[in-house]
Amino acid sequence: AQKVTQAQTEISVVEKEDVTLDCVYETRDTTYYLFWYKQPPSGELVFLIRRNSFDEQNEISGRYSWNFQKSTSSFNFTITASQVVDSAVYFCALSERYGGSQGNLIFGKGTKLSVKP
Amino acid sequence: NAGVTQTPKFRVLKTGQSMTLLCAQDMNHEYMYWYRQDPGMGLRLIHYSVGEGTTAKGEVPDGYNVSRLKKQNFLLGLESAAPSQTSVYFCASSYSLAGNTPIYNEQFFGPGTRLTVL
Repeated sequence: AQKVTQAQTEISVVEKEDVTLDCVYETRDTTYYLFWYKQPPSGELVFLIRRNSFDEQNEISGRYSWNFQKSTSSFNFTITASQVVDSAVYFCALSERYGGSQGNLIFGKGTKLSVKP
Repeated sequence: NAGVTQTPKFRVLKTGQSMTLLCAQDMNHEYMYWYRQDPGMGLRLIHYSVGEGTTAKGEVPDGYNVSRLKKQNFLLGLESAAPSQTSVYFCASSYSLAGNTPIYNEQFFGPGTRLTVL
């Protein structure tokens, strides 16, 4: 069965520290997509990135980077030099070609990141 | 271009009352979804729609009904609210390219509706 596990419930760091949010997924599909969403204290969900199962290249966008490893079924998210504005709940999600059928997202339970000044 | 909007933003119901949550999107998206978010549970799919006039059950459909009479609107109904339905409800929409399923595409979320059932 498909599943997304974010083992870190809460993380607290001091500004400028680097922090990695872990995401481990389970799927039987060979074609699937992984996403990260950010939910700031205001409550809306903001799309950050998607990655397909055939592309294991890491991606960097400013202070954000993502490490996708199929061998360990992980899609980890690193924030470099964290800032207070990074404080949010971060969700990892999985979309499968067959299991989810219509692009249904399977979310992890989220990791709450607190960045203190 | 408002994106995805939800009405109302907040609502308090008594057990047994009914209500309808409205989701509207102006992006001409085919696919629409209703999720609920509970503390420590992430987001769970309630119902979804792959086009006007079609709906399907998600992971937690019991106690809810939906309708998609117009492409831009997706309604979530609670016929007899229960305290267990206290939650934050999110609507989302997505698109597909060249008729393919939208598994690749990100979903665009509304701002959420905070519902409390007493």
